[in-house]
Amino acid sequence: AQTVTQSQPEMSVQEAETVTLSCTYDTSENNYYLFWYKQPPSRQMILVIRQEAYKQQNATENRFSVNFQKAAKSFSLKISDSQLGDTAMYFCAFTRGGATNKLIFGTGTLLAVQP
Amino acid sequence: NAGVTQTPKFQVLKTGQSMTLQCAQDMNHNSMYWYRQDPGMGLRLIYYSASEGTTDKGEVPNGYNVSRLNKREFSLRLESAAPSQTSVYFCASSEDTGKNTEAFFGQGTRLTVV
Repeated sequence: AQTVTQSQPEMSVQEAETVTLSCTYDTSENNYYLFWYKQPPSRQMILVIRQEAYKQQNATENRFSVNFQKAAKSFSLKISDSQLGDTAMYFCAFTRGGATNKLIFGTGTLLAVQP
Repeated sequence: NAGVTQTPKFQVLKTGQSMTLQCAQDMNHNSMYWYRQDPGMGLRLIYYSASEGTTDKGEVPNGYNVSRLNKREFSLRLESAAPSQTSVYFCASSEDTGKNTEAFFGQGTRLTVV
């Protein structure tokens, strides 16, 4: 069975600084996808970034980038130039490749950006 | 563009009562999902539907039933609510391309069972 582990329940960062959130996963699959979702206080789940396991290049989306280490089964999220609006719960998620997008989530990291 | 719409947003039930959570998506997605979110546990899959007319159990299906009424709608029913079902429930949908692009989520239903 696949599992996703986020070992940092809470983190704090100063505005404009950089922070890295950790995620590890366990799977025997070769074809899979990894995601980071953001959940602000509004409760809405928002996709931040997505990585395809067969791509070696790390995904980037503006201030958000990942460090995908396939052999180590590690998928960390780096947020550069942190903004107050980045304050949220961040979830790492895994899905096997295939027609449906059943997600397995980690337990989340609560990120607080301090002014 | 509404995306995924869930109703209601909040609900309080007494133990033993029943209710149905409604979900509708307007993106023509084949796959739909119900998750529950509990503190310290992330989101866990309750049931999913890969296409109209099909449903399958997820990780935590006990105490729930679902209906895929048509391509747009996927409802979740609690027949006899229990305090352990106090949670935030999310409906989601995704495109069925095999490329696992993105799951789109509704805004959640906060359910309290007393």
